[in-house]
Amino acid sequence: EAGVTQFPSHSVIEKGQTVTLRCDPISGHDNLYWYRRVMGKEIKFLLHFVKESKQDESGMPNNRFLAERTGGTYSTLKVQPAELEDSGVYFCASSYLQGSGTDTQYFGPGTRLTVL
Amino acid sequence: QQQVKQSPQSLIVQKGGISIINCAYENTAFDYFPWYQQFPGKGPALLIAIRPDVSEKKEGRFTISFNKSAKQFSLHIMDSQPGDSATYFCAARRDTGRRALTFGSGTRLQVQP
Repeated sequence: EAGVTQFPSHSVIEKGQTVTLRCDPISGHDNLYWYRRVMGKEIKFLLHFVKESKQDESGMPNNRFLAERTGGTYSTLKVQPAELEDSGVYFCASSYLQGSGTDTQYFGPGTRLTVL
Repeated sequence: QQQVKQSPQSLIVQKGGISIINCAYENTAFDYFPWYQQFPGKGPALLIAIRPDVSEKKEGRFTISFNKSAKQFSLHIMDSQPGDSATYFCAARRDTGRRALTFGSGTRLQVQP
């Protein structure tokens, strides 16, 4: 079974440019999460999709970030315009909620974003 | 405000030794406490998890100790091996409501041969 995949693995852009990150969850996983780790700090939650609906977007830092999950499959996270503080590793995770409340989140390898 | 505090930031252990990583949490609504292991170039992967109704959980060389009254939990790696060298994250989550994981800041473990 394929794991969570993310594209690109690394992106270097200039301040003010736009970048779109993509995440393909494990097939059949309705839950999709985006997280971000800024250098040396904790991994922080950004938002949570259940199928195509945004369940929780309380972690989104500001309106320069836009996440979509059309059709409830893959998701994209767009940063427009990018700022220096957006640099970090963006992780996507997916899970299959089995009703008991416990669901293991499987993480992708991350996209390392560098804003110059 | 960081809800899950993790220490140490880095740890060097000799092969065969015991690695101990500690975490403390503040939100008593948390009811699931996983540890994730991350190798360079890979995403975090679930290593072991515990719920607050037990004080200890062991899986092979990995043990979680949980102290509900102190709001602390720790990961013990027995007989540490060079292949255990990785970054370890503790995390916490609720079973109801907000399902996102709240992570600690990570511990970079290096096991020397």
